[in-house]
Amino acid sequence: QLQLQESGPGLVKPSETLSLICTVSDGSISSSNYYWGWIRQPPGKGLEWIGSIYYGGSTYYNPSLKSRVTISAEASKKQVSLKLRSVTAADTAIYYCARQGGGILFPLNWGQGTLVTVSS
Amino acid sequence: EIVLTQSPGTLSLSPGERATLSCRTSQSISASYLAWYQQKPGQAPRLLIYGASSRATGIPDRFSGTGSGTDFTLTITRLEPEDFAVYYCLLYGDSPLYTFGQGTKLDI
Repeated sequence: QLQLQESGPGLVKPSETLSLICTVSDGSISSSNYYWGWIRQPPGKGLEWIGSIYYGGSTYYNPSLKSRVTISAEASKKQVSLKLRSVTAADTAIYYCARQGGGILFPLNWGQGTLVTVSS
Repeated sequence: EIVLTQSPGTLSLSPGERATLSCRTSQSISASYLAWYQQKPGQAPRLLIYGASSRATGIPDRFSGTGSGTDFTLTITRLEPEDFAVYYCLLYGDSPLYTFGQGTKLDI
């Protein structure tokens, strides 16, 4: 049973870098069938796609965040990471990692999410 | 960039009733690129419908999706208490790769 687990600091100071890791419990993140993505949700608000990475290393970012985001993958550790630079209070959100693929274009498997608060 | 507009913002219904949720896109899209999600408080979103009308694995048949062009609909027949949640439509596009609608809250 595939499980995705997000981890990282729950509190980040303004102007610093938010760093999160998604650890995959089953299967290989190197499979050519899947993309791995990050999606966020400010408290009480809607969902925003941040970006995705394909097994070959190709990355796709939301243009609104592209200048500040890096998504990478480490297959040996079964981990996908997110780095968001120069954060502000507007980056306070629940951050989800998700897997899409296997014949379906849309995120199917999700982690439970982790809340990151940006505050001094 | 294509904009997704969901309506209504909030829909108040009772168990047993039928719910009709709308998602309109600012440009015509392929139905293959439209999905619906359900999100309950404190939970991650769950994929209900993809390709506008295909139910994801394990989704009850009271959930159905229709639509083409710019108008897409999620219908829930015979609402169950567990169906009261927030529903989002999602577009698979070019740039950005994914765009969410703003959501419809289905209230008792």
